[in-house]
Amino acid sequence: DIQLTQSPSFVSASVGDTVTITCRASQGTESYLAWYQHKPGEAPKLLMYAASTLQTGVPSRFSGSGSGADFTLTISSLQPEDFAFYYCQQLKTFPLTFGGGTKVDIK
Amino acid sequence: QVHLVESGGGVVQAGGSLRLSCEASGFLFRSYGMHWVRQAPGQGLEWVAFIRKDESTIFYTDSVEGRFTISRDNSKNTLYLQMDNLRPEDTGVYSCAKGFCGATSCPLGGYFDHWGQGTQVTVSS
Repeated sequence: DIQLTQSPSFVSASVGDTVTITCRASQGTESYLAWYQHKPGEAPKLLMYAASTLQTGVPSRFSGSGSGADFTLTISSLQPEDFAFYYCQQLKTFPLTFGGGTKVDIK
Repeated sequence: QVHLVESGGGVVQAGGSLRLSCEASGFLFRSYGMHWVRQAPGQGLEWVAFIRKDESTIFYTDSVEGRFTISRDNSKNTLYLQMDNLRPEDTGVYSCAKGFCGATSCPLGGYFDHWGQGTQVTVSS
């Protein structure tokens, strides 16, 4: 199975800050990697797919990069609605796996 | 507008069974692969099972293989998850998700572009 290690697991930030979350895979996933935002009580939301392609309707302050085994999600100019959990997911092979999650909290 | 609505969750004793349903609307259900994902209390997301649009391909996570069965009825726009021999560690919120292919990237199961709100499953020991 492909293990995904996200870091940090928790980040405290202010509105307007830039936040970077990394996702490292135990083996290469090519670019079959997605990022999701999840707010408690709501359905998760697809932010980014194919590592760096912004899903329709997602603000451009979200960006993704990487390929192979190392990936990054960057949130520029953090907005109040961005405080949530973020998960990476690999879709290279089954079983599909998620990273452990990153909580972005208000400082 | 895509809607996915899960139902069928509840409280059951260890060893018992539940059948979850996911009713889909707003898209051509029979054209997309579908997934089940769960989240245990205080934990992250865990993929559970996938079924291809025509049921030709099915995958499970190891911990549910042999106990859970994913299926679909394309005539009813409904996805199912039959859960047998339930264990306390199966407790969590179960959500269905629709597979999506980008213009230039299409993994086998598709990216999860729409999710339901989930249904709670609690397994007591």
